[in-house]
Amino acid sequence: NAGVMQNPRHLVRRRGQEARLRCSPMKGHSHVYWYRQLPEEGLKFMVYLQKENIIDESGMPKERFSAEFPKEGPSILRIQQVVRGDSAAYFCASSQNGGITDTQYFGPGTRLTVL
Amino acid sequence: GQQVMQIPQYQHVQEGEDFTTYCNSSTTLSNIQWYKQRPGGHPVFLIQLVKSGEVKKQKRLTFQFGEAKKNSSLHITATQTTDVGTYFCAGQYRDDKIIFGKGTRLHILP
Repeated sequence: NAGVMQNPRHLVRRRGQEARLRCSPMKGHSHVYWYRQLPEEGLKFMVYLQKENIIDESGMPKERFSAEFPKEGPSILRIQQVVRGDSAAYFCASSQNGGITDTQYFGPGTRLTVL
Repeated sequence: GQQVMQIPQYQHVQEGEDFTTYCNSSTTLSNIQWYKQRPGGHPVFLIQLVKSGEVKKQKRLTFQFGEAKKNSSLHITATQTTDVGTYFCAGQYRDDKIIFGKGTRLHILP
């Protein structure tokens, strides 16, 4: 039973390039959450998606960041025109029902480095 | 607004000593979850507490949820080197929003 999968595990981009981070939820899970973690910091919520819907994007920066979770395929977090401050670990988590007591299972993360 | 504070930020203990981390929310929680993240790893779910005053145990780990559902603690008895990592609490609110604390980084001295 595969867990949450994220790729790539490490991504290096130059300033101004685009970064695409992929997340495949656990089998049977239709709710996906994206978090950002700066070094030695906690996890900061970015966005919560269900299939084809963005439920809560209150943690997403207004510009350059977007997320989608299409009917088929993984969820994608897209960062356009990356800047050095975007360097962080980006974790995706999935849950089965998205309910108030639902457990989130985390993927291994993508560590983005912007040169 | 909703805020989750976690203390201490760092804790160094001698192997075999006990360890406790505390979590406080500015407003009442629906539930609280605890995660452990090893260095270089990803958060791993430990437990969820839902009821007021709830206490749960997992071997040497004891989790408590306050009566007012605004605070929680994780206590580890007789720490071992395998306990090294950062322990996060995550408070979930009635609007489903989940807010993570900044974590307590546990370092074990041999």
